[in-house]
Amino acid sequence: SQQGEEDPQALSIQEGENATMNCSYKTSINNLQWYRQNSGRGLVHLILIRSNEREKHSGRLRVTLDTSKKSSSLLITASRAADTASYFCATGSSNTGFQKLVFGTGTRLLVSP
Amino acid sequence: DADVTQTPRNRITKTGKRIMLECSQTKGHDRMYWYRQDPGLGLRLIYYSFDVKDINKGEISDGYSVSRQAQAKFSLSLESAIPNQTALYFCATSDSSTNTEAFFGQGTRLTVV
Repeated sequence: SQQGEEDPQALSIQEGENATMNCSYKTSINNLQWYRQNSGRGLVHLILIRSNEREKHSGRLRVTLDTSKKSSSLLITASRAADTASYFCATGSSNTGFQKLVFGTGTRLLVSP
Repeated sequence: DADVTQTPRNRITKTGKRIMLECSQTKGHDRMYWYRQDPGLGLRLIYYSFDVKDINKGEISDGYSVSRQAQAKFSLSLESAIPNQTALYFCATSDSSTNTEAFFGQGTRLTVV
């Protein structure tokens, strides 16, 4: 079963606008990661936020984590056409010393010029 | 050259045939994974390996087997392919010393007819 569920499933915006996508998960985690996938390609790691962190920035990316609500959001500011991709959240949990990543179903982002 | 290389990139095979997907990595990571991606279902973990000779089942291991022949190589086999194994398959690696992000190959698109 999926741990993370992204919302919305699809998002269409214009270049220059901000894109926000959300992720909800079910169990306790050590960290939450966001990945990007261009059509039919491999996933690329974007950013990781640990369970004791509330907000993290990387370039045009801003991630928040609310462990009480078991949710995270990814904000991409000043979107570009090149940001068009699918975005996945993945939760990392480590009950046995092994971090198992469980991926959500993804948000498809379309940024129009 | 890619850090995580999957071969073949595309494969069409017939029902009942045995097929092997191969993955090699140059990152020196100890952990390797095989995921399957289906539309609307995100990525699901098939098998994972902590190190050579170590094999662990993921959430959807039925119908698949794996072999970790060397630290850098992790192969996935479908002993008798069936049409519902048509999917995009990804190999990934991670480093247990950092226990953070996963690095993905470009994927193998498998079609079983």
